[in-house]
Amino acid sequence: RKEVEQDPGPFNVPEGATVAFNCTYSNSASQSFFWYRQDCRKEPKLLMSVYSSGNEDGRFTAQLNRASQYISLLIRDSKLSDSATYLCVVNTGQGGKLIFGQGTELSVKP
Amino acid sequence: GAVVSQHPSRVICKSGTSVKIECRSLDFQATTMFWYRQFPKKSLMLMATSNEGSKATYEQGVEKDKFLINHASLTLSTLTVTSAHPEDSSFYICSASIRDRGWVMNTEAFFGQGTRLTVV
Repeated sequence: RKEVEQDPGPFNVPEGATVAFNCTYSNSASQSFFWYRQDCRKEPKLLMSVYSSGNEDGRFTAQLNRASQYISLLIRDSKLSDSATYLCVVNTGQGGKLIFGQGTELSVKP
Repeated sequence: GAVVSQHPSRVICKSGTSVKIECRSLDFQATTMFWYRQFPKKSLMLMATSNEGSKATYEQGVEKDKFLINHASLTLSTLTVTSAHPEDSSFYICSASIRDRGWVMNTEAFFGQGTRLTVV
């Protein structure tokens, strides 16, 4: 089983749609969680950290369920500029080592 | 936010030669840096953890003699791909985190811009 597993994608959605990404992790001792965004041929950039209480940043909402070892990202009112690969990332607490999911590609069409 | 600079951004080399990639933390000290590689349409795979002043820790399946890591200062880690072959062609990327109270925990990682290596 992969340490961090995401929806396989790709997701093709029209502008304005709401899209949800799911992620599960296997290491119950994992300590912090993130969603990163990666544009083609670029380095990943932090989109948002994920907290147990859930957190929202504009059109983006992230949720964490530690009991189920499940993380989600919701994007409302999708924009063309949201097209990218979204990476679910888990910090295992082992000296800052990050484990990446395989990424879910999102394509927002006009 | 913190800045990590990686150089070169792109390199083409001949089979059998060695290539050195540098990763610098520009405005903070990074006692630990991480090296990843990424194949097209795949996720980042951790190769090794670079520790300042000590040997790097390699992930299972990564050849330490093939991918030499040196972390001689608090702001610089280098990855040398030795005797490169076409199958080493990939996107290599480094990251570093700012330590909080002596060890890295809940902080985001800052990534270098990545190096696209093509071995011909």
